Amino acid sequence: NAGVTQTPKFRVLKTGQSMTLLCAQDMNHEYMYWYRQDPGMGLRLIHYSVGEGTTAKGEVPDGYNVSRLKKQNFLLGLESAAPSQTSVYFCASSYTLWGRGRKVEYNNQPQHFGDGTRLSIL
Amino acid sequence: AQTVTQSQPEMSVQEAETVTLSCTYDTSESDYYLFWYKQPPSRQMILVIRQEAYKQQNATENRFSVNFQKAAKSFSLKISDSQLGDAAMYFCAYRSPAETSGSRLTFGEGTQLTVNP
Repeated sequence: NAGVTQTPKFRVLKTGQSMTLLCAQDMNHEYMYWYRQDPGMGLRLIHYSVGEGTTAKGEVPDGYNVSRLKKQNFLLGLESAAPSQTSVYFCASSYTLWGRGRKVEYNNQPQHFGDGTRLSIL
Repeated sequence: AQTVTQSQPEMSVQEAETVTLSCTYDTSESDYYLFWYKQPPSRQMILVIRQEAYKQQNATENRFSVNFQKAAKSFSLKISDSQLGDAAMYFCAYRSPAETSGSRLTFGEGTQLTVNP
């Protein structure tokens, strides 16, 4: 049972390069999230998705794009990397419980996190 | 927007003793959820304990318990009988029930806990 898998685990980029971080979950979770973690600032939400084909901006979305073409995958893209984007990136997913055609319980479900991707931009 | 504040960047405790980590939050919502996550040096984010705001009873998970004071918007974590393996960064997190916000988590800045043998 893999849970949430992030690829790659570590990467060094030059300013202006582009790259995509991949997040895959095998728990059939509907909600997925991308966070960045910087020293002394906790985790901050970049973008999130509440279902296949839908994405939304979080707290710090500038410079990033995302896509959720398949339910199990959530991609985070950096089109033109900047040194300010040096950080540890975490993907997370969470479960929703459906009943009578609507979500009945999901907020008390924890988010499951990947192991993080350390990204350095020179 | 909700905010979460952890006013103790670092804490230390002797093995087998008890330590309390503080967390306060600001919200205008009446229904929400609170979590404590642990992040050891391996960088994994591990759920420690959760609390539903509508429940008056404080959550407990083995050696971990919380003191949830809704009126004061306080959510502290107590670790009893501290063990060396408890050494980690601890994050307090708030989860809004608002489906329009994707039930996102808002994290505090973290408290680095050191356990001394």
